Amino acid sequence: EVQLVESGGGLVKPGGSLRLSCAASGFTFSSYSMNWVRQAPGKGLEWVSSISSSSSYIYYADSVKGRFTISRDNAKNSLYLQMNSLRAEDTAVYYCARDHTIFEGGRFDPWGQGTLVTVSS
Amino acid sequence: DIQMTQSPSSLSASVGDRVTITCQASQDISNYLNWYQQKPGKAPKLLIYDASNLETGVPSRFSGSGSGTDFTFTISSLQPEDIATYYCQQYDHLPYTFGQGTKLEIK
Repeated sequence: EVQLVESGGGLVKPGGSLRLSCAASGFTFSSYSMNWVRQAPGKGLEWVSSISSSSSYIYYADSVKGRFTISRDNAKNSLYLQMNSLRAEDTAVYYCARDHTIFEGGRFDPWGQGTLVTVSS
Repeated sequence: DIQMTQSPSSLSASVGDRVTITCQASQDISNYLNWYQQKPGKAPKLLIYDASNLETGVPSRFSGSGSGTDFTFTISSLQPEDIATYYCQQYDHLPYTFGQGTKLEIK
């Protein structure tokens, strides 16, 4: 069974840092591009970042560019999101999502259960 | 960025009703359009990809159509378990963008 499990969320002060992790199982992790998508409380979905299977291609939303860094460790079947200079508007549930197929990016399935990041003083 | 405009933002319908949600892109995205279902407190789930392709295991009462800038998502006969928020999403151009969502309730 394909499974994605996020961890690392929590309460952090504005300007602080947090590192999210996503542990993958049930598929060949090194073959798939991976993504982070977030959802502010009571709001819609916002794509955050994507990374290709070999980390050759990395993309960010403008809202996080320069503050967030996506990475992966294929040997550990893990995806990461290093979040620095956090702002109140970064408060959200952060989902890890796999690309639907190995051939084309932008379709997200499956998704993890999400981890809540709260930025507040 | 490509803006995705969904309508309506909320919808109340009866069990057995035919339900339609529309999604309009601010520019031509061909058929690079997905539909997701998000039940309360859960992660989103891919239902339709490439505008009209039903994801494996998804009931056939769900369907999608359209290309270019105008897209439609339909539930042919609403079931109680379909209560959720539905999102369209384009992946023709980065940044990938979502519609604002349509919250579906049972009347």
